[in-house]
Amino acid sequence: ETGVTQTPRHLVMGMTNKKSLKCEQHLGHNAMYWYKQSAKKPLELMFVYSLEERVENNSVPSRFSPECPNSSHLFLHLHTLQPEDSALYLCASSPTPGGGADEQFFGPGTRLTVL
Amino acid sequence: GQNIDQPTEMTATEGAIVQINCTYQTSGFNGLFWYQQHAGEAPTFLSYNVLDGLEEKGRFSSFLSRSKGYSYLLVKELQMKDSASYLCAVRDSNYQLIWGAGTKLIIKP
Repeated sequence: ETGVTQTPRHLVMGMTNKKSLKCEQHLGHNAMYWYKQSAKKPLELMFVYSLEERVENNSVPSRFSPECPNSSHLFLHLHTLQPEDSALYLCASSPTPGGGADEQFFGPGTRLTVL
Repeated sequence: GQNIDQPTEMTATEGAIVQINCTYQTSGFNGLFWYQQHAGEAPTFLSYNVLDGLEEKGRFSSFLSRSKGYSYLLVKELQMKDSASYLCAVRDSNYQLIWGAGTKLIIKP
């Protein structure tokens, strides 16, 4: 496997369910990100991890809980979500958390639908 | 507040040239990125500008004017596969990426 992978690609869940999104990067990067992408809206940065330590949490509701067990894996645990949380959730990684021309490499995303 | 503006949608003809504009108002500036995102796929990196001027990479060029808070992406010799959304993003003083909503580019034969 190469690049950034995400599973599942599609997820439908009820408001009382608990589910997790998984992201894995095979690029040897030190920073990983979770983004929310809603139709016709800018990408919203949710969380940033640098060397498995959370460095950014952009006022995300507690029903979203990230976990970074090592520099290659990132999870987003979901519980008691709302219909407005339906969106594409993108994972990304970069060599460092910021600076320079470091581009972010994105996974294909998980399309989440909350019923 | 911080803001990135880009047109919502543009249409162009195969073989032609298109210019997609991006204006920004951010707290600080540490570089501007353009990404391409095909429907249902991951955004992929196209270009990076940190100094004023034009950066060329094959059929894709990106221009930056920091004094005007303005950038554009120029795509030449348009191909049908260029139909995608083009995202402009600015790295602010905290080195956080601020994203525009994207421009959906439709290519017609």
